Parts: sequence; C-alpha cells; structure tokens
Amino acid sequence: LAKTTQPISMDSYEGQEVNITCSHNNIATNDYITWYQQFPSQGPRFIIQGYKTKVTNEVASLFIPADRKSSTLSLPRVSLSDTAVYYCLYEGGAGANNLFFGTGTRLTVIP
Amino acid sequence: NAGVTQTPKFQVLKTGQSMTLQCAQDMNHEYMSWYRQDPGMGLRLIHYSVGAGITDQGEVPNGYNVSRSTTEDFPLRLLSAAPSQTSVYFCASSYRNLDSGNTIYFGEGSWLTVV
Repeated sequence: LAKTTQPISMDSYEGQEVNITCSHNNIATNDYITWYQQFPSQGPRFIIQGYKTKVTNEVASLFIPADRKSSTLSLPRVSLSDTAVYYCLYEGGAGANNLFFGTGTRLTVIP
Repeated sequence: NAGVTQTPKFQVLKTGQSMTLQCAQDMNHEYMSWYRQDPGMGLRLIHYSVGAGITDQGEVPNGYNVSRSTTEDFPLRLLSAAPSQTSVYFCASSYRNLDSGNTIYFGEGSWLTVV
C-alpha cells in the first residue's frame, strides 16, 4: 500500500488559513497527489490534485516541493463548514488499487 | 447526474445471514471499488474491478464476494455475515486521464449492523 503520514488532528479558528502537510516518501515518478475531504456520515469527496509545484482551485491550494516527498494542502480562511477529515493519497505506482486512506487529519474549526 | 448510487443505506443483519450491497455508476468509469470504514478509521479497500469481467482482492477481502458483469454495476456480497463486518461501506468509481492522476467518486455509504 502507498502509505502516507499526516497529523492526526488540527484545530483552527474561523477565518484563519490552515495548512495540512502529508509525507509520501515512496511516491513514484508518475504518481499524482490527491486530497479528499470527508464529512461525518458521507463518502470522501475530491478536493484537489497535483503533480508538482503549486495547484490552486476555488477551495484550496496544493503545494508540492521539488522532491515530491511531501505536500501541503492549504485552506484559506476556514469556516465552521470546513470541519472534516482530510486525506492525502498517491498511487505508489501500482494504480488505484494501491491507494491508502489512513486515518487522515481531523480538522476542527472553532468559532 | 446520479454519480455513484448505493443501496440500501441502512441494513441490520443477523449473524450468518447473507446479503448484497448494490452499487451503480453512470459515469462510464472502468474502475470500481468497495471500501469499508470502521469508527475513527480510514477507508480500507475490500475488492476492486478494473473493468467488466475483471475483479481482484484489496486489503480486506475475506467474507466478501464481488462480480462485475457490466461497466455500471458492482455488487458486494456478504456470504455469511459476522459481527466483525459491522461497518460503513462505500462504493466508488474512478477514472484517470493521461495527464492526471486517479479521481475517485464515492457513493453516500451503506451502514451495516450485524447482530
């Protein structure tokens, strides 16, 4: 399994920027890094995906250094509705059957 | 746009009973999979399929069977339910473009309790 390491939990106040870092030391050359968000009682949903440098969409930014052994999901100005579990994944060169969700990072946004 | 549809959403089984969780996707994705998620844990892959007629085992396949007769459907069968199979089950489908990684779409989940 393509295992990742993330902090178990994080707390943040509303309006702050939150950065969640993930380590993926065994990432393969053709792997993309993908982040998912999961709310209670729902399936995970896609947030952002990237290969290198920086990717930004309407909800988040993803920063990937040159060695690609880690990545950082950045959530600007979080709100209470961003309270969720965040997972980072990569395929480990073996395809989608090698994805490892782990326990993710539980983000709690405080009023 | 239905995406990935799972049924039933809730089910209670007695130990030893069998049942099938249904999963259908309307996005023409080749890849489909089933995960289970226990309280406070991440998702673990049970079985997956890379196309109609092709299935394979994931991380925790024991006690489950799957089949893939069509691109759209990927049912998960519990052969003889055990309390250890009490969990939330998620079906997923995914695609990969030449210039991107896999993007996975999940169903809403099926809550299964085995008593």
